[in-house]
Amino acid sequence: DTAVSQTPKYLVTQMGNDKSIKCEQNLGHDTMYWYKQDSKKFLKIMFSYNNKELIINETVPNRFSPKSPDKAHLNLHINSLELGDSAVYFCASSSGTGRNSPLHFGNGTRLTVT
Amino acid sequence: DQQVKQNSPSLSVQEGRISILNCDYTNSMFDYFLWYKKYPAEGPTFLISISSIKDKNEDGRFTVFLNKSAKHLSLHIVPSQPGDSAVYFCAAKHGRGSTLGRLYFGRGTQLTVWP
Repeated sequence: DTAVSQTPKYLVTQMGNDKSIKCEQNLGHDTMYWYKQDSKKFLKIMFSYNNKELIINETVPNRFSPKSPDKAHLNLHINSLELGDSAVYFCASSSGTGRNSPLHFGNGTRLTVT
Repeated sequence: DQQVKQNSPSLSVQEGRISILNCDYTNSMFDYFLWYKKYPAEGPTFLISISSIKDKNEDGRFTVFLNKSAKHLSLHIVPSQPGDSAVYFCAAKHGRGSTLGRLYFGRGTQLTVWP
């Protein structure tokens, strides 16, 4: 039973296309996140939702739009894809936002924009 | 501006020896620190954490040390095993205002444990 699952695992697409990445967690957590790992291996937060409410919206182009239909799901939609969007995107969840709430990550989606 | 830094991209250690992974941070507001381990094609998994009110936390073979005055923490793995070979990420957080819940990551250190 995968705790945090995201699909697809690999996504290859052309510039200008629109794509979505889906994420689901079965841990009963209230908070979900999207992180991006770029080519330099830095992991940076993009968005965070707590009980379907957006609580963190990092400086991300508005081509990226998260959607949380319920607290177990957090999807990421990307419009007009650009070469620089190529990265690994990780979904994560936690039981809260406090100090003692470590993140549980999915296995990542490797997005390649050609 | 990287607030969490792991200056060694790689570390190679013989099985049975100690592995020491280092991490420095610049933001004095950080009050909780975590280490994550990542295998290829998988997401990071939580390993161990430490609050800023402590200077040491131990869990089996893993010990994290925190030196607040130096803004430095380290992860010790004793004894190292080949299965420990992975990328180790240092992360930090503070529970203030709009950054609540946000983790700041270093860029990771690739640990290789050879037989």
